[in-house]
Amino acid sequence: GIQVEQSPPDLILQEGANSTLRCNFSDSVNNLQWFHQNPWGQLINLFYIPSGTKQNGRLSATTVATERYSLLYISSSQTTDSGVYFCAVYTGANNLFFGTGTRLTVIP
Amino acid sequence: ETGVTQSPTHLIKTRGQQVTLRCSSQSGHNTVSWYQQALGQGPQFIFQYYREEENGRGNFPPRFSGLQFPNYSSELNVNALELDDSALYLCASRQRPGQYNSPLHFGNGTRLTVT
Repeated sequence: GIQVEQSPPDLILQEGANSTLRCNFSDSVNNLQWFHQNPWGQLINLFYIPSGTKQNGRLSATTVATERYSLLYISSSQTTDSGVYFCAVYTGANNLFFGTGTRLTVIP
Repeated sequence: ETGVTQSPTHLIKTRGQQVTLRCSSQSGHNTVSWYQQALGQGPQFIFQYYREEENGRGNFPPRFSGLQFPNYSSELNVNALELDDSALYLCASRQRPGQYNSPLHFGNGTRLTVT
């Protein structure tokens, strides 16, 4: 089956710093989503991005499907950005394959 | 727009018992899927329902079963609970089962503990 790997596995940032999270996938995909899971377990949609670049406030994402990776940029990080960031990919089936996650901790 | 809602939020069961988890889809969504998230891992696909029929299943045994109702709400049933079934169970809905322009929206989950 498809492999979805994220890096780094853990990241600690000072409030105000910028970061880039990476998602590599082993096979061609039909689409890709980025999620933020907060400390209470809530899984929040960030981006639905099969290719190209999208921006939403301090966050932006870029997917290069031909090279099988996606990047999530977080600028001017805040403590509320803490949590686990997952990328998940759609293949030919009806389900999402989730990556291994990046645990982000933003300290004041 | 009403989001995906799940109940209960927390549940404690004993090994061997049966459990039913419930989910109400986001309004306008006719497809629902369930995911299991063990501690420290990413969610794993259990199954998906569309028009009250299962139309996709992950690598889970038959004791995991589901239902979708005409109003698109859904249930996940787990029989003969095992300790390893302890996890966060997430329900997600989407407008239609295809992949394009139809992202998944997740509920807050039900945290199940099996003792």
